[in-house]
Amino acid sequence: QSALTQPPSASGSPGQSVTISCTGTSSDVGGYSYVSWYQHHPGKAPKLMIYEVSKRPSGVPDRFSGSKSGNTASLTVSGLQAEDEADYYCSSYAGSNNHLIFGGGTKLTVL
Amino acid sequence: QVQLVESGGGVVQPGRSLRLSCAASGFSFSTYRMHWVRQAPAKGLEWVASISYDGGKIYYADSVKGRFTVSRDNSKNTAYLQMNSLRAEDTAVYYCGSGGDYDLAFWGQGTLVTISS
Repeated sequence: QSALTQPPSASGSPGQSVTISCTGTSSDVGGYSYVSWYQHHPGKAPKLMIYEVSKRPSGVPDRFSGSKSGNTASLTVSGLQAEDEADYYCSSYAGSNNHLIFGGGTKLTVL
Repeated sequence: QVQLVESGGGVVQPGRSLRLSCAASGFSFSTYRMHWVRQAPAKGLEWVASISYDGGKIYYADSVKGRFTVSRDNSKNTAYLQMNSLRAEDTAVYYCGSGGDYDLAFWGQGTLVTISS
């Protein structure tokens, strides 16, 4: 099972918005509403930011939003802040044989 | 509060075995699926395995199938990852996680496994 495809990098200035894409297939992203997004600061535990495509866990700012169209999911970070600089990973349920797969990760830089 | 603590990592030679543990507290462990995820040096996250709340449903990534075994002891609030026939490419930080069947709201801090002769 191949990893989901994410751009290796993204960037934006403070206050701007940035969108990170996550492309899979009809067997994973396109076939289920179980796409999640994680924020990962190096050396720390990853943090769940979005689950089930667009739901935010308690405590995650509403500047973070998720969506999906076809085989591509997206994470949008609005009103960029310095602390948003991190690696972001998408994941998707991929059926009973492959269960879960992650994207390759996107390094978000706040300029 | 929710806490997951991994242990058991270290340096082992290729072909040898290692067992990781994940001790959970602060949530109803016996009702949640547990996952293992790893991150090799300078690489992204890779899902490794998961086990349902009662151990009845277990899944593995193709890269570890036949070599790794996931298990749990609900009486001890602990999940395990038995890793056999270890290879250099298994070198990674191993995280345990939980929270949902298909998403991980809780994560441990990770334990480093290094495969080297």
